Amino acid sequence: KAGVTQTPRYLIKTRGQQVTLSCSPISGHRSVSWYQQTPGQGLQFLFEYFSETQRNKGNFPGRFSGRQFSNSRSEMNVSTLELGDSALYLCASSLASGRYEQYFGPGTRLTVT
Amino acid sequence: EDKVVQSPLSLVVHEGDTVTLNCSYEVTNFRSLLWYKQEKKAPTFLFMLTSSGIEKKSGRLSSILDKKELFSILNITATQTGDSAIYLCAAHQAGTALIFGKGTTLSVSS
Repeated sequence: KAGVTQTPRYLIKTRGQQVTLSCSPISGHRSVSWYQQTPGQGLQFLFEYFSETQRNKGNFPGRFSGRQFSNSRSEMNVSTLELGDSALYLCASSLASGRYEQYFGPGTRLTVT
Repeated sequence: EDKVVQSPLSLVVHEGDTVTLNCSYEVTNFRSLLWYKQEKKAPTFLFMLTSSGIEKKSGRLSSILDKKELFSILNITATQTGDSAIYLCAAHQAGTALIFGKGTTLSVSS
């Protein structure tokens, strides 16, 4: 069974731009969660989607948004990029919301210059 | 404030040593404790613990949860260089997502 895939793997953007990251969960998984990982803050939860609905949201500004499609694929968007948004963005899938045996994708490394 | 604290932050051992990694948590509506291993890429799932006092084992790795004292430990016996990684623990809070600790960086030298 294929694992979680994320595209692109690496991205360089400049301040003020916006970016869209994509995540395809493991086949059959309906919950997708997004995390930001930085050396200083570690792994921090952004939001979770289940059945195309945002179920939970972390403590991030409104510039961070996401959505989930009917095939469970999810996208995350960051608008008006700031230098501090440079991070590894990880998505994780699980069978259902609340069943937290989550499986992570390889991540997208975003660098904001 | 909900939090998960891991210790030590980093650890250097020799091959063959046994290590114990610690994770304490203060999380309201706690449901389970998870351990992940992260090398140069995505975290990989190790264990999920929901009941106190029941050890989970996978090869040389084992973990146990103490819900009274609010902590968990991850043991690795007969360490190998391939065990070098960041070990993350996370608490699942009901109705929300995983709250991660900052991780323990383990380096195993040959």
